Amino acid sequence: EDKVVQSPLSLVVHEGDTVTLNCSYEVTNFRSLLWYKQEKKAPTFLFMLTSSGIEKKSGRLSSILDKKELSSILNITATQTGDSAIYLCASPPGTYKYIFGTGTRLKVLA
Amino acid sequence: NAGVMQNPRHLVRRRGQEARLRCSPMKGHSHVYWYRQLPEEGLKFMVYLQKENIIDESGMPKERFSAEFPKEGPSILRIQQVVRGDSAAYFCASSPSSEFGANVLTFGAGSRLTVL
Repeated sequence: EDKVVQSPLSLVVHEGDTVTLNCSYEVTNFRSLLWYKQEKKAPTFLFMLTSSGIEKKSGRLSSILDKKELSSILNITATQTGDSAIYLCASPPGTYKYIFGTGTRLKVLA
Repeated sequence: NAGVMQNPRHLVRRRGQEARLRCSPMKGHSHVYWYRQLPEEGLKFMVYLQKENIIDESGMPKERFSAEFPKEGPSILRIQQVVRGDSAAYFCASSPSSEFGANVLTFGAGSRLTVL
């Protein structure tokens, strides 16, 4: 059965801290892994990773895929309160259904 | 670009009533997907539609749930005779094609259904 597992389930940090969120996957016909940020509105797209070892970066956020370990990490440096959200990891198997992890709930304290 | 529009954002129904959730995809997107998010769980695929066609409804309960995407107008997710277990956030997403390897789903803000 295809699955995506995220850890930790929740995390509380202080502003300025660096956090690493983990995502492991077992999907048939792997094509890509995606990260979304979910606040009290639409999940918004962060990154799509298809190639192992190539870091994608956007401001203080970065992500990398390890196909050997079937995993990905999302790093957030110098966290801000606005980073508080649920971070979702997803992968579509060879078909078109995204398999989502349960998410990591990040809370950044001022 | 208004993005994916869902309404209503919040819906309260009593057990046995019907719930209708609407979704207008992003401009230029012809593929619509519905996902359900139960409390403390991840998003779960329900159904994939193109205009006037249901492509895959394997994630949708066979009874009481139906979906459509007519030639004109929004996609509708309909839940008949709602029960408390239907309380969840229902997210709609759209994409320009079904090639997930190359295209990213764009999500709406969700419709939160509460069944009393």
